[in-house]
Amino acid sequence: DIQLTQSPSFLSASVGDRVTITCRASQGISSYLAWYQQKPGKAPKLLIYAASTLQSGVPSRFSGSGSGTEFTLTISSLQPEDFATYYCQQLNSYPPPITFGQGTRLEIK
Amino acid sequence: QVQLQESGPGLVKPSETLSLTCTVSGGSVSSGSYYWSWIRQPPGKGLEWIGYIYYSGSTNYNPSLKSRVTISVDTYKNQFSLKLSSVTAADTAVYYCARDVVRRGAFDYWGQGTLVPVSS
Repeated sequence: DIQLTQSPSFLSASVGDRVTITCRASQGISSYLAWYQQKPGKAPKLLIYAASTLQSGVPSRFSGSGSGTEFTLTISSLQPEDFATYYCQQLNSYPPPITFGQGTRLEIK
Repeated sequence: QVQLQESGPGLVKPSETLSLTCTVSGGSVSSGSYYWSWIRQPPGKGLEWIGYIYYSGSTNYNPSLKSRVTISVDTYKNQFSLKLSSVTAADTAVYYCARDVVRRGAFDYWGQGTLVPVSS
């Protein structure tokens, strides 16, 4: 199975900061790479799919990029509601398996 | 607005079978545009995909759980279900149902999740 490794695992930042989270795959994957935001006690929320396509209703300060084995999620200007845990997820081909990264916890500095 | 809601027993004993149902509203499990998945998250840990079902009944499971998992669909009730056999404490988790758009490979709608402890 393809493994996804996120870095950093923990990130401390301030409101207004620009932050980048990286997701590295153990082998090259297609563009089926998604990013989610999860807040405590809630289900994950889809932010980005196909590596760089913003899900409907998601603020434009979120963006995704990358290909092959390295992908990034960028938040251009952190807002108070952005402090959460972020996960990447891949689907290399149909049929799956589908795998998730281990998560990046973003906290207020 | 699409909504998914998990339901099932709140506690399962070791060696027994965990059974959950996901009821879909505002959309149809009979649509050929979606896969319907189960995903779980142990307390304080990350996400693990369990498997999916297509409206036709075709399934695909995580190899690590395949021997213990069955996912089925009831198009009349607009529901899909999960059975996980021979559970242990390691299966204690919040279980989510979710929708994946075919050829998009991402989960756009999720249920709220249900915590299923495995304990005697």
